Amino acid sequence: QSALTQPRSVSGSPGQSVTISCTGTSSDIGFYNFVSWYQQHPGKAPKVLIYDVSARPTGVPDRFSGSKSGNTASLTISGLQAEDEADYYCCSYAGTYTFVLFGGGTKLTVL
Amino acid sequence: QVQLQQWGAGLLKPSETLSLTCAVYGDSFSGYYWMWIRQSPGKGLEWIGAINQSGTTNYNPSLKSRLTISIDTSKNQFSLKLTSVTAADTAVYYCARGPYYPHLDYWGQGTLVTVSS
Repeated sequence: QSALTQPRSVSGSPGQSVTISCTGTSSDIGFYNFVSWYQQHPGKAPKVLIYDVSARPTGVPDRFSGSKSGNTASLTISGLQAEDEADYYCCSYAGTYTFVLFGGGTKLTVL
Repeated sequence: QVQLQQWGAGLLKPSETLSLTCAVYGDSFSGYYWMWIRQSPGKGLEWIGAINQSGTTNYNPSLKSRLTISIDTSKNQFSLKLTSVTAADTAVYYCARGPYYPHLDYWGQGTLVTVSS
């Protein structure tokens, strides 16, 4: 099964909002409400921002929000800050054969 | 505070076996999936597989034939073995804890494994 599809890059100015899309199929994102989003700074391990489509772990600012429509999940970052510049990965449960699929990653540049 | 600390050989020759271990501090194994994920240089993340406290494993179908994940609950450790490695297996390998798929809440520091003759 192929990886989930994300835009390679997005950008925005400080204070603006950006949305990163993640497109899967009816066998993963479209079927299960188990989508997570991870932030990765260079040389660091990924950090979970969103799980179960829209839930935020304790300590993650509410500037980060997640949603899903059909086969596409989205991560919205509002009030962009310089430290948000990083790579972002979506991840979905994909059933009891494939189990877990990641997106190819999106590089966020804060202008 | 949960911490995952991983180690293993960083340089392998083609056809050798990749072996990594991840130790878990600050929590027990109960109720979680313990996972391995890798990231090829400049590329995205790839889920490798997982194991739970009972030793039940789930593997990425593309790696299943070469892969073994095991657990040692007495040491709070779990391990990854990948046989017959090639250059395509060169990557940073991460261990991680998952309350369930695909929620990974704690990650190890990562280990760069390079396969080169």
